[in-house]
Amino acid sequence: AQSVSQHNHHVILSEAASLELGCNYSYGGTVNLFWYVQYPGQHLQLLLKYFSGDPLVKGIKGFEAEFIKSKFSFNLRKPSVQWSDTAEYFCAVNAWSGGSNYKLTFGKGTLLTVNP
Amino acid sequence: DTEVTQTPKHLVMGMTNKKSLKCEQHMGHRAMYWYKQKAKKPPELMFVYSYEKLSINESVPSRFSPECPNSSLLNLHLHALQPEDSALYLCASSRGIRETQYFGPGTRLLVL
Repeated sequence: AQSVSQHNHHVILSEAASLELGCNYSYGGTVNLFWYVQYPGQHLQLLLKYFSGDPLVKGIKGFEAEFIKSKFSFNLRKPSVQWSDTAEYFCAVNAWSGGSNYKLTFGKGTLLTVNP
Repeated sequence: DTEVTQTPKHLVMGMTNKKSLKCEQHMGHRAMYWYKQKAKKPPELMFVYSYEKLSINESVPSRFSPECPNSSLLNLHLHALQPEDSALYLCASSRGIRETQYFGPGTRLLVL
């Protein structure tokens, strides 16, 4: 079964600092990769996704992520964070789980706190 | 439009009650999902429906009973729940089981 690891449980930054959140997965086959964000009191929203092609993908609100196949990684980056980026960030992997089934597995999440 | 709606937003029920959660999408998606999310934890998959047929049941207790009446609707019937079942229940949908899942706002359930 696939697993997803997010290295940072809680990250605290000041506004304008750069952000990188780590995500590694364990699965040997083809995967689709996602970053979701959950702002306080709001529902899960898609930040960005990677299916194929250019391994550097851009998402909403200035976020980007790079897929490095050899490292099984899909790290999220933003050059300059804002207070409004305070949220929980989840990395997720969709992979074949047997038969004709695919399963989306989430990492444990990283809470990002941005201080003004 | 990537909207998934869920009702009710909040639900309080006793351990002997029967209640249902509802989920609706009008994006023409053919896969729908139920997840359970405890506080400060990631969503955990419960059920997957593909083309209105149950394709994945993640060993969920029988006190949770899913139903997919048509391609736009997904229900979760609840009966004889335990306090540890209190959580945020999320519905999601996608065009297909390999595609991007879009999540609803969830139903926050409290079992007393």
